[in-house]
Amino acid sequence: AQTVTQSQPEMSVQEAETVTLSCTYDTSESDYYLFWYKQPPSRQMILVIRQEAYKQQNATENRFSVNFQKAAKSFSLKISDSQLGDAAMYFCAYRSASGTYKYIFGTGTRLKVLA
Amino acid sequence: DAGVIQSPRHEVTEMGQEVTLRCKPISGHNSLFWYRQTMMRGLELLIYFNNNVPIDDSGMPEDRFSAKMPNASFSTLKIQPSEPRDSAVYFCASSLLAGAYNEQFFGPGTRLTVL
Repeated sequence: AQTVTQSQPEMSVQEAETVTLSCTYDTSESDYYLFWYKQPPSRQMILVIRQEAYKQQNATENRFSVNFQKAAKSFSLKISDSQLGDAAMYFCAYRSASGTYKYIFGTGTRLKVLA
Repeated sequence: DAGVIQSPRHEVTEMGQEVTLRCKPISGHNSLFWYRQTMMRGLELLIYFNNNVPIDDSGMPEDRFSAKMPNASFSTLKIQPSEPRDSAVYFCASSLLAGAYNEQFFGPGTRLTVL
């Protein structure tokens, strides 16, 4: 069975600095998708970035980028030039690309941004 | 599109009462997910449907919980009888079943309080 692990329950970063959130996963599948979601205090879950497993190039979305290491089954999120509005819970998620298309979330990392 | 719609946004009920949470997924989406979020247990997947068919209900905590999806545009999560430990935020999310753009879109959640 697939699993997603976020080993950092909480992280802090100074405003304007860079922070990296870790995510590892376990799967025997070769084709899948990986996602990072953000949940601010408003509790609305928002997609931050996605990565297709068959793509070697790391995804980027403005200040957000990922380091996807397929062999190591690692999918970390880097936030550059951190802003106060980045403070939130961040969830890593895995989705199968076939079969039941199961969706699995990690336990989340709470990011604090210090002014 | 209006996004995923959940009702009610807040529900306060007394122990033993029946509670019904409602969800309208984004039009065209063919996967629907119900989650429960608490401080203690984080984000838990309760059940998900593909093409209106329940695929995995292993996350449903007890027989007191049931979910239905009678058509592609409506789903309900019912708790009968409710207990104080059911107090949580319940999220509904929808997505396309397959393809690259299959991220989940979350509703605003229903905050349930059982007294």
